[in-house]
Amino acid sequence: GAVVSQHPSRVICKSGTSVKIECRSLDFQATTMFWYRQFPKQSLMLMATSNEGSKATYEQGVEKDKFLINHASLTLSTLTVTSAHPEDSSFYICSARGGQGGQPQHFGDGTRLSIL
Amino acid sequence: AQSVTQPDIHITVSEGASLELRCNYSYGATPYLFWYVQSPGQGLQLLLKYFSGDTLVQGIKGFEAEFKRSQSSFNLRKPSVHWSDAAEYFCAVGANSNSGYALNFGKGTSLLVTP
Repeated sequence: GAVVSQHPSRVICKSGTSVKIECRSLDFQATTMFWYRQFPKQSLMLMATSNEGSKATYEQGVEKDKFLINHASLTLSTLTVTSAHPEDSSFYICSARGGQGGQPQHFGDGTRLSIL
Repeated sequence: AQSVTQPDIHITVSEGASLELRCNYSYGATPYLFWYVQSPGQGLQLLLKYFSGDTLVQGIKGFEAEFKRSQSSFNLRKPSVHWSDAAEYFCAVGANSNSGYALNFGKGTSLLVTP
């Protein structure tokens, strides 16, 4: 149980393109979804937290107009990297959590984004 | 603010040997503690978690971890390592914040298993 599917697994696109990444909880309802960014050989950096039906909460230093997050249902959240540039190249990972409080987060397999 | 420290960046063990990965946390109250494992190019898989109660928690794949409040530690152990255990291991603390119980991760420990 607690499977999170993230799609696509890899994207290569030109600078200036907008890229959408989907995160789905397949067998549970995710009241909260999280988006992380991971640089090579580094830990995960929380970008934003989204609750179904409300606006995402962005961490300090993360541009909300650059990284658009939509959490329209209890099983789907999307991250759109708008007008992507090479410095946006990274590994993006989503996680989903059902219930409240300190319940564990379940992670997708990540998306490798490469901007040429 | 809460923080997590994993003192060892890299650890190498022989297959069949025992393993202990260290994790120390800083948090004002009793935290929720987690260990995750990440294979190259993959997401994170939950190994085990501590919320309350018994301080020795059992996880998947033969892993266990012990919460020691006096040492602010939550070390991960396995009695006999398999080659397939080679991966990146992250300790994380969950605490209430503006982000609603987001996880704060340590920097990870890379485990190499030799024959």
